[in-house]
Amino acid sequence: GAGVSQSPRYKVAKRGQDVALRCDPISGHVSLFWYQQALGQGPEFLTYFQNEAQLDKSGLPSDRFFAERPEGSVSTLKIQRTQQEDSAVYLCAIPDKDYTFGSGTRLTVV
Amino acid sequence: DAKTTQPNSMESNEEEPVHLPCNHSTISGTDYIHWYRQLPSQGPEYVIHGLTSNVNNRMASLAIAEDRKSSTLILHRATLRDAAVYYCILRGEYGNKLVFGAGTILRVKS
Repeated sequence: GAGVSQSPRYKVAKRGQDVALRCDPISGHVSLFWYQQALGQGPEFLTYFQNEAQLDKSGLPSDRFFAERPEGSVSTLKIQRTQQEDSAVYLCAIPDKDYTFGSGTRLTVV
Repeated sequence: DAKTTQPNSMESNEEEPVHLPCNHSTISGTDYIHWYRQLPSQGPEYVIHGLTSNVNNRMASLAIAEDRKSSTLILHRATLRDAAVYYCILRGEYGNKLVFGAGTILRVKS
């Protein structure tokens, strides 16, 4: 959606490589969500920010996943030592009239 | 979060109406019924939502059963651009994260 910009659009990583995925929402949004979408599945919740505070990280699948939003605007999702099962589309969303999603980053781990 | 059940896939002819069903027998009194759709290579986009009464907007109509245990998303005239995955989601009044199921893949034939 126009309210959320995600980069890169596509990322290919070798297994074991660290990656960083960026979400840049239009300004003024307090809340920000990250979702993971495996092929053929619906998106699954990863984590939630309110300003710079990470209020819910219950969906992060392992301690290799780390998210931050240091100034309460741009957020970065970092995956360390990527594995093949991390291959998915990573979506960022902001509550607007309802939820506005970015187009996502498609991560492929080879 | 309450669970929804949708058919895996449906097919429609172009210019004809489409009725996408959703069952949510465990819905609670404060749950809103939301519909999102996801076009290929895009993030989900909001379609419509309702609580008890039927709702209409420029994209679709939402018909909610009297007992609220089911609902139907109605596209009045399907176009090729409506081919997408449609998700029916229940969200509490103050709910944060969206819980997606697998959705219904809608195919539109010309």
